[in-house]
Amino acid sequence: DAMVIQNPRYQVTQFGKPVTLSCSQTLNHNVMYWYQQKSSQAPKLLFHYYDKDFNNEADTPDNFQSRRPNTSFCFLDIRSPGLGDAAMYLCATSRDLGLAAVNEQFFGPGTRLTVL
Amino acid sequence: KQEVTQIPAALSVPEGENLVLNCSFTDSAIYNLQWFRQDPGKGLTSLLLIQSSQREQTSGRLNASLDKSSGRSTLYIAASQPGDSATYLCAVSPRGGATNKLIFGTGTLLAVQP
Repeated sequence: DAMVIQNPRYQVTQFGKPVTLSCSQTLNHNVMYWYQQKSSQAPKLLFHYYDKDFNNEADTPDNFQSRRPNTSFCFLDIRSPGLGDAAMYLCATSRDLGLAAVNEQFFGPGTRLTVL
Repeated sequence: KQEVTQIPAALSVPEGENLVLNCSFTDSAIYNLQWFRQDPGKGLTSLLLIQSSQREQTSGRLNASLDKSSGRSTLYIAASQPGDSATYLCAVSPRGGATNKLIFGTGTLLAVQP
């Protein structure tokens, strides 16, 4: 089945130790997104890639970076995790950007990040 | 600034009951509205997508409506089952920016009692 895959499902890191979260998709979608969801809060968009074009949200901290080496993979790098970065990180894809159903977003299972 | 609100925050119903979840948004200038389901500790499952030009969408026991002028959407679940227990999130894609951005509500936690 075509899907959005996130690895690992659970990640524990130490305060200040860089960590990378991985997302892959078999949907062949052009757009990939990273959201942060803190406990009991709504998901919040960090950034997205349209093909190789990176689009950062204005309020996304510099501590968060992303890479998309090819269509299928997208990585979230947290350079120096703080306790406040503990959250569920959700990867999503959409076929394209536009006014029709092509922009419907499909989500992966998420990676829960714990910062010690 | 677009804000999305979902009421109630939590809802408990007996199995078999029909129920309605509410979503409101402050700016009617949207491209679409999407309803998601989130099980505890899991990702989001897309349930229904309503384009701004549409009034409703149906999938099985689910029916979502959209009234853009009043800034409201409802998700109707017919004949609820214990397996429907989850958090339901609505999200809008605001006009005026890239069509990719989703603004989420904080969700309604639904518990269906057997």
